[in-house]
Amino acid sequence: GAVVSQHPSWVICKSGTSVKIECRSLDFQATTMFWYRQFPKQSLMLMATSNEGSKATYEQGVEKDKFLINHASLTLSTLTVTSAHPEDSSFYICSVLGPGQGIGETQYFGPGTRLLVL
Amino acid sequence: AQSVAQPEDQVNVAEGNPLTVKCTYSVSGNPYLFWYVQYPNRGLQFLLKYITGDNLVKGSYGFEAEFNKSQTSFHLKKPSALVSDSALYFCAVRDMPEEDGANNLFFGTGTRLTVIP
Repeated sequence: GAVVSQHPSWVICKSGTSVKIECRSLDFQATTMFWYRQFPKQSLMLMATSNEGSKATYEQGVEKDKFLINHASLTLSTLTVTSAHPEDSSFYICSVLGPGQGIGETQYFGPGTRLLVL
Repeated sequence: AQSVAQPEDQVNVAEGNPLTVKCTYSVSGNPYLFWYVQYPNRGLQFLLKYITGDNLVKGSYGFEAEFNKSQTSFHLKKPSALVSDSALYFCAVRDMPEEDGANNLFFGTGTRLTVIP
């Protein structure tokens, strides 16, 4: 499968600061990337779909001004958690849509970033 | 509206025995179904998927899943469990109609598999 990296793997920050998480597709150029959030003992919730060269599409209930997504190149998408608060503490996972053109193309996931806001 | 149900939070099986992790789904159009595995402190790894064709899909690490349209199920199976199979397993379905062109996934709540030596 495809290799997807995320950086950092974990971060601890003070409340009110901003944190940037990078997601990189190492094997191929990715037009579409996804950002998920996973709470302890819960499933993954899609936050937004990131398309290279255009604005991200956010899911209902996700604050676009708080979770800034930038898909500046075909191999890099960034998620910035602005003015982070303790309730933003979570495991953030990005995924990359595979290079094929099929309708059921596979998503490949990064290793995740654990964010702890104090 | 789409939904995915994994009725079992936890499945325990003895090493060497067959294992089954259950998944049922509900979508408005054609189902595109996926299984992912998540090891501790790791991201999700793709195991297998069903798009069309043969109802029995074979995937990574000896896993397979059977698509059953009448029962709207896509159970994950393996003939002989290994201790290293212990992990969190997620069933997922694509929730958008074909015409939309999107490809985001909707996940079940996960099933923790523990293989007992």
